[in-house]
Amino acid sequence: DIQMTQSPSSLSASVGDRVTITCRASQSIRSYLNWYQHKPGKAPKLLIYAASSLQSGVPSRFSGSGSGTDFTLTISSLQPEDFATYYCQQTYTPPLTFGGGTKVEIK
Amino acid sequence: QVQLQESGPGLVKPSETLSLTCTVSGGSISSYYWSWIRQPPGKGLEWIGYIYYSGTTNYNPSLKSRVIISVDTSKNQFSLKLSSVTAADTAVYYCARVYYGGNSMFDYWGQGILVTVSS
Repeated sequence: DIQMTQSPSSLSASVGDRVTITCRASQSIRSYLNWYQHKPGKAPKLLIYAASSLQSGVPSRFSGSGSGTDFTLTISSLQPEDFATYYCQQTYTPPLTFGGGTKVEIK
Repeated sequence: QVQLQESGPGLVKPSETLSLTCTVSGGSISSYYWSWIRQPPGKGLEWIGYIYYSGTTNYNPSLKSRVIISVDTSKNQFSLKLSSVTAADTAVYYCARVYYGGNSMFDYWGQGILVTVSS
């Protein structure tokens, strides 16, 4: 199985901050990497697919980059509604695997 | 707008079979893959498996011996059965649509249903 490792596991940030979350795959997954936002009691929401493509309707302050084994999700200016847990996911090969999550909390 | 809704018992006894259904509305179940994912309390997301509308399946090897995912196109539903459950299977279970566009992604999700395994 391909292991997905996210860092940090949690972070505290203020509204307006630039936030960067990293995800590392245990082997190359080319650009088969998605990012999701998850709020308690809600359905997870697709933010970024294919490492850097913004899902329709997602604000442009979210961006993704990377290929191979190292990937980044960036929120350029953190908004109150962005406090949530973020997960990366590889879809290069089954079993499809997720990172452990990064919880973004209010500072 | 595609919507997914999980349904089924919220409490299952150990050693019994967990059965959940996902009802798809606002779109057809045809021509897509459909998946189940779960999240144990305090833990991350785990992919369980997916099914194509035609019935082709792919399961997580860690659960493969206990999982069956099926589809009923006439009802626009797909289902999950997980046998011989233990407390470790306690989780919020999500259903999701898998969109294949070169890359694959889970673009629509249900709200999730908490299933507790306890006697």
